[in-house]
Parts: sequence; C-alpha cells; structure tokens
Amino acid sequence: DAKTTQPPSMDCAEGRAANLPCNHSTISGNEYVYWYRQIHSQGPQYIIHGLKNNETNEMASLIITEDRKSSTLILPHATLRDTAVYYCIVRVQNFGNEKLTFGTGTRLTIIP
Amino acid sequence: EAGVAQSPRYKIIEKRQSVAFWCNPISGHATLYWYQQILGQGPKLLIQFQNNGVVDDSQLPKDRFSAERLKGVDSTLKIQPAKLEDSAVYLCASEQSRGPDTGELFFGEGSRLTVL
Repeated sequence: DAKTTQPPSMDCAEGRAANLPCNHSTISGNEYVYWYRQIHSQGPQYIIHGLKNNETNEMASLIITEDRKSSTLILPHATLRDTAVYYCIVRVQNFGNEKLTFGTGTRLTIIP
Repeated sequence: EAGVAQSPRYKIIEKRQSVAFWCNPISGHATLYWYQQILGQGPKLLIQFQNNGVVDDSQLPKDRFSAERLKGVDSTLKIQPAKLEDSAVYLCASEQSRGPDTGELFFGEGSRLTVL
C-alpha cells in the first residue's frame, strides 16, 4: 500500500508556481521521498527525490519539512505541458530489493 | 541514449486467449520492473528482476501471468489465459544498480491491452 496522501486534483494558472503537497507521516529515517509524473498516454517520468534537505533540479524543487512528515513539489513556472498526474512516493534507498509503490497521485491541470 | 523499448503498443484479444509483451531496458540497467496500470489508477508492480533473478513477484497472479528475463537483458511478460480484468497498460521500467544518489526508474511508453 502507498504510504503517502495527496490531493486528488489541483489547478494552477499558466506561468504561476504550482505547489503540490504530499503527506508521509509514517516515513522512516531511511526512506527517501520521490516524485514522478505521468503525462497522458506516457509512462511515468522521474522528477526529483530527497531525504532531508531541500532539493532543486532543472525541472522542480522539493521542500521537505524538518520532521519529514510532509513535502511539497514546486514547479516554478507552470506551462501547459506540466498538465499530468503527479505521484509522491516514499522508498528505502538500498542496493537492489526495494520497490517503487505508486498511489493514485494528484492530477494537476494547468489553466491557460 | 535509447530509452526503454516496449512492444506491441496496442493489443486487442478475446478472453481466454494468450498475449505476450516484450521489453528491452536501457543498456546496462540491472533492475527491470513490470507494472500494470488500470485506467484511473496508479501503476501496480507485478514483478521486479535484478539481472535475471526475481526479486519480488508477490503481486503477480501466477496462475495466469508469467515473466522471464533471459540473460539479464530483455524481458517478456505473458498472460494465459486472459481475463476481462486484465485490460490495462503494461509498463516496463529499468533502473541502474542502486546507491544513495540513484533511484531513478526509466519507463517505456507501455503496452495497452484490451480484453473483449
């Protein structure tokens, strides 16, 4: 079973920052937070992951609270191509045996 | 860099028939996954391979589904006999060997199965 809770849907205006929340109150100390997205009719695409510190890459920023019980994915300047289902996943980082378990995600719609 | 290749993209069969899906992962990726995604749901893991060994097949309906990964490269997922509830997109993903700074799965575009 997925160990995260996300809102089922969100809207965001084009050009604005999209902030997608995720609750993972039962996260363990050795579990990372991963974000993937799935654009219609495509396979999921990795976005970013982190353990404790905030992370940023060319796609997004990940803000993890100090107690690690929740996180927020930020798309700084949303475009229409960011319309997708976004999945927040927690996963132990090890060397071969841990699977990636998807929940139902947040359907983000970017409004022109 | 070539991505994860899957075929066929679409398949329509009648119930009780059989079907096979093929996946070619990214070169050098040791871990391969098969996921099933039913319309409106998130992907559900069916089986995970590490090289050519099975790591996790706890959610694979073994009475009708089988999968193999010969020589630790390509993989085939078979369904025999198919049921109506097997209608879904079957996603293959691959991943390099794990480590603290990795963990990115690369997904193919999927194979969409319709069972009539």
